[in-house]
Amino acid sequence: EVQLVESVGGLVKPGGSLRLSCAASGFSFSTYTMNWVRQAPGKGLEWVASISSATSYIYYADSVKGRFTISRNNRQNSLYLQMNSLRAEDTATYYCATEAAYSSYIDYWGQGTLVTVSS
Amino acid sequence: QAALPQPASVSGSPGQSITISCAGTSSDVGGYNYVSWYQQHPGKAPKLMIYEVNNRPSGVSNRFSGSKSGNTASLTISGLQAEDEADYFCSSYTSNSSVYVFGTGTKVTVL
Repeated sequence: EVQLVESVGGLVKPGGSLRLSCAASGFSFSTYTMNWVRQAPGKGLEWVASISSATSYIYYADSVKGRFTISRNNRQNSLYLQMNSLRAEDTATYYCATEAAYSSYIDYWGQGTLVTVSS
Repeated sequence: QAALPQPASVSGSPGQSITISCAGTSSDVGGYNYVSWYQQHPGKAPKLMIYEVNNRPSGVSNRFSGSKSGNTASLTISGLQAEDEADYFCSSYTSNSSVYVFGTGTKVTVL
């Protein structure tokens, strides 16, 4: 069974930093492209970043480019999102999610972790 | 990239069929067969219901079906049941600056 468990988020002041992690199990993590998707309270889903299996390809949404960094450790089956220069509009539940093999859609999602940016 | 427009809400009585639209462009919905649909109950993570326009993952009821015509994708729920009451989001691979674009979301209410 695929399991994706995000680390606890939290409250961060504007301009601050936070690192999210996602522990993966139940599948061959090292062979899958991984994504972060976020959802502001009461709003829709927004794709944030994507990293290929061997980190050859990394992409970011324009809204986070230059501030967020996605990374992974295939030996530890872990995905990360380093978030710097946080803004109020980054307040959201952040989901770790897998990309389907040999296709282009997101299939499995973690339970999500809430990040609140406020003074 | 702006979210793909979906109707804000759709409602139906138990047993009826409803259809949710998802309007894209030739850079996303119309250009690729990578349209997916997600169901989200309050406080829960999204769940994949349809992938690659019209395929159902194992375990998803055959009451859910997907289609695409031109730049618009659609999700149909037939034989509406109380448990179908949730938010539904479409998504597509896109050739624009982002990798994936999501729809604005549709709240389905079972009357």
